[in-house]
Parts: sequence; C-alpha cells; structure tokens
Amino acid sequence: GDSVTQMEGPVTLSEEAFLTINCTYTATGYPSLFWYVQYPGEGLQLLLKATKADDKGSNKGFEATYRKETTSFHLEKGSVQVSDSAVYFCALGQTSGSRLTFGEGTQLTVNP
Amino acid sequence: DAGVIQSPRHEVTEMGQEVTLRCKPISGHDYLFWYRQTMMRGLELLIYFNNNVPIDDSGMPEDRFSAKMPNASFSTLKIQPSEPRDSAVYFCASSLSGRNTEAFFGQGTRLTVV
Repeated sequence: GDSVTQMEGPVTLSEEAFLTINCTYTATGYPSLFWYVQYPGEGLQLLLKATKADDKGSNKGFEATYRKETTSFHLEKGSVQVSDSAVYFCALGQTSGSRLTFGEGTQLTVNP
Repeated sequence: DAGVIQSPRHEVTEMGQEVTLRCKPISGHDYLFWYRQTMMRGLELLIYFNNNVPIDDSGMPEDRFSAKMPNASFSTLKIQPSEPRDSAVYFCASSLSGRNTEAFFGQGTRLTVV
C-alpha cells in the first residue's frame, strides 16, 4: 500500500538557517503530494502541494519539488524564522478517493 | 465558509463516562475523516465517510469507539465507556472528491480522561 516516510525529528535551527525536511513516498500510479503544517494548539493546515512530476509547490517561502525518479518531495526554506516553529507533515493522495496518507511528522524548532 | 468546526475544543471526563465529539464539515465536501493524534502514535486515521457512508473504519481502536454521519453537515465520534488511554487530540477533516484535493482540518478536540 501507499506510505510516506519523513526524516526523523526533532529539528532545531537558528533563525535565518536553511531548512530541509526530507520526505519519500511509496505509491502506485501518480499521486498528488502535500505538505501540511501544524502550529501549537491548532489543526493541520495545507502549506503547499504538487500534483504531477516536476511540479514545484511553494508558499510562505517554503518550496518542495515532486521528484518521481527519486520518489521524493523534500521541503525547503532558505531562511527560517521563529514563527516557522511547528510540526510539518508530508502526505500523498490518490485519485481514487480523497484519503490522504501522512508521514510521521517532523517537529521544527527555530531559536532566535 | 467558516471551515471545519469541531466541538467541544476541550473535554475532561472521568473514566467510564460516555464522550461525544462533534464535527461540521465544510459545506459541499463529500468526504469526512476522523483522526486521533498522540505523542506516542502520531496522527492516526480512525474512520472516514464518503457521502455520509462509512468507507473504512479499520482504524477504530475498539468497539468502544463509534462514529456516525446522519447527514452531510454533521458527524459524531462517540467513546463509550471512555478510558484514560483515549486521552488525545481528535481531529475532524473534510475534502471534496476528485484529483488533487486536499483535506481541511478542524481545530481539534483535546480529550482528557481521568
């Protein structure tokens, strides 16, 4: 079945550092890929998505590129801020049904 | 739209009591999901519905858990009787069928069973 694997956390960075959170997936067909973010005490919010190979999703300075050859969708940001501290989830969705498969989540803490 | 609305936001109950969590999905969405989040187990899908019909309840941990969706705008997750290990944050999410659709999450209900 479908699965998503994220890099183990937690990740701690200083403000303005470069961020990468790795995400790889196993799936049949051509799934859509998503990054969700969960701020403390809140529900998950969509951060960005990509729907086909080589698509780049971007939002709030975050980017991720759908790499079918490496089955990856790594999240990057060039300069993190304290306000980016949150848990980040990678997910995939198939065309048949709207159920999403989530990764384990990666806790990011950004220190001033 | 106000998004997915869950109630209550916080619930504290005694072991053995019945607990009912409520969810109002985004209008027009035809999928509804119930998730549970804990530190130990992360985010778990409990059950999901399509057009008010349960599609997969394999994530429901025990017979103590039940979920209903009597109409397109309302769903409940019930735990009877509740136990301390049920303490978690429960999320409801909804989505629209079709390719490339994302799920929209509610704010969650933090359940504490003492």
